[in-house]
Amino acid sequence: NAGVTQTPKFQVLKTGQSMTLQCAQDMNHNSMYWYRQDPGMGLRLIYYSASEGTTDKGEVPNGYNVSRLNKREFSLRLESAAPSQTSVYFCASSEMAVGEQFFGPGTRLTVL
Amino acid sequence: GDSVTQMEGPVTLSEEAFLTINCTYTATGYPSLFWYVQYPGEGLQLLLKATKADDKGSNKGFEATYRKETTSFHLEKGSVQVSDSAVYFCALSPSSGNTGKLIFGQGTTLQVKP
Repeated sequence: NAGVTQTPKFQVLKTGQSMTLQCAQDMNHNSMYWYRQDPGMGLRLIYYSASEGTTDKGEVPNGYNVSRLNKREFSLRLESAAPSQTSVYFCASSEMAVGEQFFGPGTRLTVL
Repeated sequence: GDSVTQMEGPVTLSEEAFLTINCTYTATGYPSLFWYVQYPGEGLQLLLKATKADDKGSNKGFEATYRKETTSFHLEKGSVQVSDSAVYFCALSPSSGNTGKLIFGQGTTLQVKP
């Protein structure tokens, strides 16, 4: 089992460009999450999907959109990238509403 | 709203020293509490958890006890190793509106020197 996979691992964008971060899990988990990690701020939730077909905003959703493509895949889209979106992005999944979350290796995004 | 506060880092220790990383939380009801660890260049992985007051979570020599009266979940290890060098995150899962969301502290970097 690969667990949670994310692509790409690294990305550099110019201000105003768009891109989609991909996430997939092979553990048949119902819930999936997108976080961003910034120095000194821990991880902050961007969006989450409690189950297939549903998505909800987290703490910092502005400037992002998500798609729960199927039970396995949950993508994060930046429509018009800004320097403030420079961060490390983590995808996670969990089987139950309260339980262990499994994290992917992260995507390091730089917006110039 | 719910929040988690961790001690500032970095924490630098010599091998075999005793480790404490403080974590306090603010939440309504009875949240579940977690410690996650992030090794360099990797994602987070669960270290231990506790789901009710007075529970003790333990794993790989690390321990933490859920203290409702002091709203704390401090991480301890009796003898650290160089391989324990990592960033440690305390987190809570709110007791209401169960969606599995986690609220993280800011993380504490641990450096263990030989």
